[in-house]
Amino acid sequence: DQQVKQNSPSLSVQEGRISILNCDYTNSMFDYFLWYKKYPAEGPTFLISISSIKDKNEDGRFTVFLNKSAKHLSLHIVPSQPGDSAVYFCAASSGYGNKLVFGAGTILRVKS
Amino acid sequence: EPEVTQTPSHQVTQMGQEVILRCVPISNHLYFYWYRQILGQKVEFLVSFYNNEISEKSEIFDDQFSVERPDGSNFTLKIRSTKLEDSAMYFCASSADFNTDTQYFGPGTRLTVL
Repeated sequence: DQQVKQNSPSLSVQEGRISILNCDYTNSMFDYFLWYKKYPAEGPTFLISISSIKDKNEDGRFTVFLNKSAKHLSLHIVPSQPGDSAVYFCAASSGYGNKLVFGAGTILRVKS
Repeated sequence: EPEVTQTPSHQVTQMGQEVILRCVPISNHLYFYWYRQILGQKVEFLVSFYNNEISEKSEIFDDQFSVERPDGSNFTLKIRSTKLEDSAMYFCASSADFNTDTQYFGPGTRLTVL
């Protein structure tokens, strides 16, 4: 099931700089997109989401951009902090109560 | 802040045994889910539950699996006869209402089948 793809397995960023994590999807029925952060042996923690009627949503240091025509979304973290080091999952849904389809995740390492 | 809780954190069982994984979703949430993540693989959907019945299930969720909401707070996943390939992290999630579809996840139960 390759409906949601995160093509970068890992990303390394210097503290204070911007982290950009990317996600592509193929299913046009997806209308709600989420980013989760996950530490080993813990559950995914919700970070930020965006509805398909928007192209940007911002929450503190986290901003998600959605390009529907390209079926692409990205998560920007600025400034990056060492505590941001984790696995970041992109997920998509096609409606209320429907399942989330996850990407494979991107390991973010923020170096101090 | 309300959170989803899961018990046990780690369950070790012998192949062929039954296991029950327990979850307490966030109290005012309406939708409940089980996902799993096999080591090194994606988080994958198992089943969703709404209004006391299954609303969707994946191909993984075969006759060996069942879910139940036995009371107003617990949500359980039962695997009747565990197989080696059932070894995974199992995550429970819940979501609230018709204005948002954000699913909140519990910390997971690590199931090890020997």
